[in-house]
Amino acid sequence: DAMVIQNPRYQVTQFGKPVTLSCSQTLNHNVMYWYQQKSSQAPKLLFHYYDKDFNNEADTPDNFQSRRPNTSFCFLDIRSPGLGDAAMYLCATSYRVSQPQHFGDGTRLSIL
Amino acid sequence: AQSVTQLDSHVSVSEGTPVLLRCNYSSSYSPSLFWYVQHPNKGLQLLLKYTSAATLVKGINGFEAEFKKSETSFHLTKPSAHMSDAAEYFCVVVPSNTGKLIFGQGTTLQVKP
Repeated sequence: DAMVIQNPRYQVTQFGKPVTLSCSQTLNHNVMYWYQQKSSQAPKLLFHYYDKDFNNEADTPDNFQSRRPNTSFCFLDIRSPGLGDAAMYLCATSYRVSQPQHFGDGTRLSIL
Repeated sequence: AQSVTQLDSHVSVSEGTPVLLRCNYSSSYSPSLFWYVQHPNKGLQLLLKYTSAATLVKGINGFEAEFKKSETSFHLTKPSAHMSDAAEYFCVVVPSNTGKLIFGQGTTLQVKP
């Protein structure tokens, strides 16, 4: 089945230690998104790629970076995680912006 | 300005009884409207979408929603709740000028046996 896959499902890192989360898709969608979701809150868009064009949200901290080496893969890099970065990180894809997005099951990030 | 308000943060129903989750929106542009469901430790799954076609939209798992422009509402309903419906539900508006998802605050649906 075509889908969005996030690895790992659970990630633990230390305060200040860089961490990378990965997302892959078999849908061949043009757009890939990264969201941060904290407990009992709605997802918050961090950035998205339309093909290779990177679009950062204005309030996304500089600590968060992303890479999309090809159509299928997208990575979220957190350069120096703080305690406030503990959250669920969701990857999503869509064929075009404004069309329904397909979500992965997320990576839950814990900071020690 | 675009916004979404889910009128109830928690809804509790008994299994087999109807479900109503309320959503009001504000959008200056012709929006698309979606409902997503999120089960614990899972991603979001699209339940249904309105994109300016029929105002009564049928989705998966027996859910449906009616777009009422005069009331700026897009309430989600289901005739008979099942235990597996217990989850978080998000109403989402997508303005045509940005294409970005604007989420409501979410409604937690509890289904009692």
